[in-house]
Amino acid sequence: QQQVKQSPQSLIVQKGGISIINCAYENTAFDYFPWYQQFPGKGPALLIAIRPDVSEKKEGRFTISFNKSAKQFSLHIMDSQPGDSATYFCAASITNAGKSTFGDGTTLTVKP
Amino acid sequence: DTGVSQDPRHKITKRGQNVTFRCDPISEHNRLYWYRQTLGQGPEFLTYFQNEAQLEKSRLLSDRFSAERPKGSFSTLEIQRTEQGDSAMYLCASSFWGSNEKLFFGSGTQLSVL
Repeated sequence: QQQVKQSPQSLIVQKGGISIINCAYENTAFDYFPWYQQFPGKGPALLIAIRPDVSEKKEGRFTISFNKSAKQFSLHIMDSQPGDSATYFCAASITNAGKSTFGDGTTLTVKP
Repeated sequence: DTGVSQDPRHKITKRGQNVTFRCDPISEHNRLYWYRQTLGQGPEFLTYFQNEAQLEKSRLLSDRFSAERPKGSFSTLEIQRTEQGDSAMYLCASSFWGSNEKLFFGSGTQLSVL
């Protein structure tokens, strides 16, 4: 059972454009929704995270939008740069419950 | 920088052999997690520890897999009688306190079973 579905699988954006990655979850008990960035040969690194008591969180060029009723959340990367080219994973978890459930990832390529 | 350290980075083994991986978490973190990642997939939860106690183990985890965290410090993940399907990146992560927030991942151990 895949509890977190991520789309698209891959994304190509021009430099300066906006990258948008979407995730949908099923378990309404989830209360923590992070996004991770992974470069080849490295482990995932936390980028930004949100809890369901807010609808949006912004950190620099990265914004999470959260829609609790639709059980969806998305990552927006503004002014995308070639250095943003990586694989992005959404995840969901229940605070203090231990495990996180990850989406299958989106490979982002930002063309110069 | 005292990030999460994993050893070895790469392991090639023959089918049927046993392998052991080590993870050294960030020192002040009391939770340690093991995940497995295959190409094109997100990390899949295997097990986690709070201090030295193993609190959860994935139902998907075969009994050929065992993990330990003696004294609540480093952890080892052992795979007995490896199979080709075990080939994957094994990721270790740690977090602070009793929260599963802000996982800090190591660079992983890439296992290839021939």
